Amino acid sequence: AQSVTQPDIHITVSEGASLELRCNYSYGATPYLFWYVQSPGQGLQLLLKYFSGDTLVQGIKGFEAEFKRSQSSFNLRKPSVHWSDAAEYFCAVAPGSGGGADGLTFGKGTHLIIQP
Amino acid sequence: DVKVTQSSRYLVKRTGEKVFLECVQDMDHENMFWYRQDPGLGLRLIYFSYDVKMKEKGDIPEGYSVSREKKERFSLILESASTNQTSMYLCASLRTGGNQPQHFGDGTRLSIL
Repeated sequence: AQSVTQPDIHITVSEGASLELRCNYSYGATPYLFWYVQSPGQGLQLLLKYFSGDTLVQGIKGFEAEFKRSQSSFNLRKPSVHWSDAAEYFCAVAPGSGGGADGLTFGKGTHLIIQP
Repeated sequence: DVKVTQSSRYLVKRTGEKVFLECVQDMDHENMFWYRQDPGLGLRLIYFSYDVKMKEKGDIPEGYSVSREKKERFSLILESASTNQTSMYLCASLRTGGNQPQHFGDGTRLSIL
């Protein structure tokens, strides 16, 4: 069974600083990979996804992520964070063959705090 | 844009009650999902459905059942609610094929007293 690890439960970053959120997965083949963001009291919004091709993926709100097969990682980055980026971030994986039809496996989330 | 609508944002029920959580999607997606979200545990899959009348158990199906009588609607049922089912419940839908992501509703925060 696949698993997803987000090593950082909380991260605090100053506004304007760069950000990297870590995600490692365990899966035999190349999976589909996702980053979702959740603002307080809201559902999940898709930031970006990787299915195949270019390993550097651009998403919404200025986020990007890089798939590194050798490290089984899919880290999320942003060059300069804004106070509105404060939220919970979830990495998720799905088997590449099914495309997510059997459901996603999520990490436990990283809570991002932005300092003024 | 895909719209996944969960009928209640907040719900308070009593132990032993039968509870229905409703989810409707407007994009004719074949696949629908129910997850529960708890602090420190992320999201965990309860049940999913590939099509009308079909259902599959996810990782934590105990204490839950589902119903999918129409393609656009997927209901989660707590047969006899217990306090350990107090949680945030999220519904999602997905189009089969075509490299698409799951789309989520805003969630239902359920409290069992």
